[in-house]
Amino acid sequence: AQKITQTQPGMFVQEKEAVTLDCTYDTSDQSYGLFWYKQPSSGEMIFLIYQGSYDEQNATEGRYSLNFQKARKSANLVISASQLGDSAMYFCAMREGLSARSQGAQKLVFGQGTRLTINP
Amino acid sequence: NAGVTQTPKFQVLKTGQSMTLQCAQDMNHNSMYWYRQDPGMGLRLIYYSASEGTTDKGEVPNGYNVSRLNKREFSLRLESAAPSQTSVYFCASSVRQILTYNEQFFGPGTRLTVL
Repeated sequence: AQKITQTQPGMFVQEKEAVTLDCTYDTSDQSYGLFWYKQPSSGEMIFLIYQGSYDEQNATEGRYSLNFQKARKSANLVISASQLGDSAMYFCAMREGLSARSQGAQKLVFGQGTRLTINP
Repeated sequence: NAGVTQTPKFQVLKTGQSMTLQCAQDMNHNSMYWYRQDPGMGLRLIYYSASEGTTDKGEVPNGYNVSRLNKREFSLRLESAAPSQTSVYFCASSVRQILTYNEQFFGPGTRLTVL
């Protein structure tokens, strides 16, 4: 069974500093995808970044980058130059491998999340 | 485009009552999903529909039923609500892709309390 572990329940960072949110995963699939979502206090889920298991380059999207270490089974999210608006819950999620069984559905397994607070 | 919409936004039920949560998307996505989020937890998949006409169980399906009414709409029904079903329910949709991955788009959620 697939599993996502986020070991940091909460983090506090000064504005403009960089922050790394940890995510480790466990899967027996050779092909899988890793996602990060942001959930502000308003409750919606916002997609941030995606990394495929066969992608050779680490994914980047603006101030977000994903430090993907396949051998260590980690997919940490790095936010550069943090802003007050980055304060939110952050979830790491994994999509099971592509197969006929999944019929093209993108079923996700989520970690428990990390609450990030940016201090002015 | 409205994206993914859910109704209602809030609901309070008594134990044993039934209700249906509605979800609709206007992005022409084939696949739709229902998740629940308990306090301090990540989301867990209840049911999903890979395409119109198909539904399948996720990680926590007990106590729920679903209907894929058409390509746009995917409803979640609680036949006999229990306090353990107090949660925030999210509907999501995605492109159906066999060979690659795509993000899921989430609705705003329904906050359900069962007394």
